Amino acid sequence: GIQVEQSPPDLILQEGANSTLRCNFSDSVNNLQWFHQNPWGQLINLFYIPSGTKQNGRLSATTVATERYSLLYISSSQTTDSGVYFCADYGGSQGNLIFGKGTKLSVKP
Amino acid sequence: DAGITQSPRHKVTETGTPVTLRCHQTENHRYMYWYRQDPGHGLRLIHYSYGVKDTDKGEVSDGYSVSRSKTEDFLLTLESATSSQTSVYFCAINRDNTEAFFGQGTRLTVV
Repeated sequence: GIQVEQSPPDLILQEGANSTLRCNFSDSVNNLQWFHQNPWGQLINLFYIPSGTKQNGRLSATTVATERYSLLYISSSQTTDSGVYFCADYGGSQGNLIFGKGTKLSVKP
Repeated sequence: DAGITQSPRHKVTETGTPVTLRCHQTENHRYMYWYRQDPGHGLRLIHYSYGVKDTDKGEVSDGYSVSRSKTEDFLLTLESATSSQTSVYFCAINRDNTEAFFGQGTRLTVV
């Protein structure tokens, strides 16, 4: 099945800094999504982005499906951005999402 | 918000007891999923459903059963809870075979 690799695994930022998170896929990208798991454990949908670029406030994402990767950009980071960021795509035999191991982001005040 | 509610949100139970977790959705989606999240393993599929009374096993289905008697409800049952089933459980729906949305999660502790 599809393999999903995320980098970096951990990231510590000072408030106000920018960052780029990466997601690589072993197979073709179909329905790529980015999620934020906040410190309370909730999985929040950030982007559904099978291809192209989308922006939502300080966050934007780009997926280059032909090269099997996606990038999540966080600008002017805030402490509330802390948590774990996951990318995922449908690749399981049951039509389920396959997740990367996540990038744990800590934003310091 | 995709109208997904999980209950209970937290539960502590004893080894050997049966436990049922409920997932309720309000948007009439056909596909529903149960995942568990564990450190070092990410989210893994337990069972899924593609319609009323239509369910199938996922990657880590041993020790779990599911039922879906109504479109809006998908139940996950641990027949005899074990400590290895201590985890955070997430229900998810699949909107139009594209974007997935997750419930708030249920933190289950088996002592």
